[in-house]
Amino acid sequence: NAGVTQTPKFRVLKTGQSMTLLCAQDMNHEYMYWYRQDPGMGLRLIHYSVGEGTTAKGEVPDGYNVSRLKKQNFLLGLESAAPSQTSVYFCASSYSPQGLYNEQFFGPGTRLTVL
Amino acid sequence: QKEVEQDPGPLSVPEGAIVSLNCTYSNSAFQYFMWYRQYSRKGPELLMYTYSSGNKEDGRFTAQVDKSSKYISLFIRDSQPSDSATYLCAMSPSSNDYKLSFGAGTTVTVRA
Repeated sequence: NAGVTQTPKFRVLKTGQSMTLLCAQDMNHEYMYWYRQDPGMGLRLIHYSVGEGTTAKGEVPDGYNVSRLKKQNFLLGLESAAPSQTSVYFCASSYSPQGLYNEQFFGPGTRLTVL
Repeated sequence: QKEVEQDPGPLSVPEGAIVSLNCTYSNSAFQYFMWYRQYSRKGPELLMYTYSSGNKEDGRFTAQVDKSSKYISLFIRDSQPSDSATYLCAMSPSSNDYKLSFGAGTTVTVRA
């Protein structure tokens, strides 16, 4: 099993450009999450999904949109990138009936720089 | 004030030393407490998990929870250079609460 994978690994954008980050998981998890990680700030939840076709806002949702058209995929979109969105983005997934508690499994991250 | 506070360090110790990490929190509803380990340029991975108050030991790692003080700790005995990483605490109110509250993470370097 690949676990949680993220595409792309690195990206440089100019202010105002748009892009989509793709997250895929092969563990049949119901829940998926997008975080951003900035120095001294820890992991902050952007958006999350509790199942296919559902999405909800997290702690820092402004400037981002998400979609979960398929259970295994969770997309994060930036419509008009800003320098403040320079960060490392992590996708995570959790919860299956066979699993314990609420362990989240993380992808390797996407390093995004907005110039 | 953040819901979960964690000293970001950095912390540098010689090989074989005991590493002590801690977090404080403000939400008394938190019942489940986790420690994640994150190596440089990697995603976090679950290291230890505890429920409510008490201690849990796993090899060289010991997690402690003191709910009365809203304080959790992670101890690493006989630290190794391979323990060099950022350690993040995380917590949630229930076992199936899908949202976790994370600390900022403490960066640890174990010197050979």
